[in-house]
Amino acid sequence: EAQVTQNPRYLITVTGKKLTVTCSQNMNHEYMSWYRQDPGLGLRQIYYSMNVEVTDKGDVPEGYKVSRKEKRNFPLILESPSPNQTSLYFCASSSIAGASPGQFFGPGTRLTVL
Amino acid sequence: ILNVEQSPQSLHVQEGDSTNFTCSFPSSNFYALHWYRWETAKSPEALFVMTLNGDEKKKGRISATLNTKEGYSYLYIKGSQPEDSATYLCASKAGGYQKVTFGTGTKLQVIP
Repeated sequence: EAQVTQNPRYLITVTGKKLTVTCSQNMNHEYMSWYRQDPGLGLRQIYYSMNVEVTDKGDVPEGYKVSRKEKRNFPLILESPSPNQTSLYFCASSSIAGASPGQFFGPGTRLTVL
Repeated sequence: ILNVEQSPQSLHVQEGDSTNFTCSFPSSNFYALHWYRWETAKSPEALFVMTLNGDEKKKGRISATLNTKEGYSYLYIKGSQPEDSATYLCASKAGGYQKVTFGTGTKLQVIP
C-alpha cells in the first residue's frame, strides 16, 4: 500500500529538549516536504527536498532542520523546541513537485511544546 | 512568499445544491495549481493538479478550471452530498522554485 508514515503521531515535550519527527514514504518519490498547520494560517511549508542530499527552505524554516540521506526518509529535527512550535505537522511526498497526482500526505504529528 | 487566497472561507449548502469556490494566486511565473480535499481528523488528499491555462479537470461531481493569465482557479461541486463536507485547499507553485504555497482553504458543510 502506497503511504507516507510519520512518527510519533502525538508528542508532548518541554522547551529546549531536542526532538525528531520521522517521515518515510514507500513510493520512491523524489520530492518530500514538511508543513505545519496552525489555525487561521493554513498549511505552511517548512522545508522541502528534491532528492537525496538536496534540501531547501520553505516559508517558515526558522527553528527547524531536515536531512535527506535516503530517498525514502525525510526527518524533521527541532534542535531546541519552543512553545511557538506547538502545531500539527504534516510530511508529504510526490513524484515531482507540481506534477500529477499531487502530494501524498502523512497522517500528521501533533506536537505540544510546554 | 506567494500570496494564495481562497474564498469564501466557509459556506453551508443544502444537499443537492451545486456550489463553487475560488482560488487566486500570482499569475507571474506560474507553474502548477493543486486542489486538495481535507476531511476533519484526516490528511489532505489530492484532487487535481493543473498546469495549463484553460485546463479543466473532473472527478465525479467535482470539477476545476484554471486561468493562469488572471491568476484564478474555480472548484465546482455539482449536487453536493453530505460526504462532500470538508475543507478544500488550493496550492500554487511558481516556476523555478519548488516551494508550494497553500491557501487557507474553504470549509464546506453540506446540510442533509
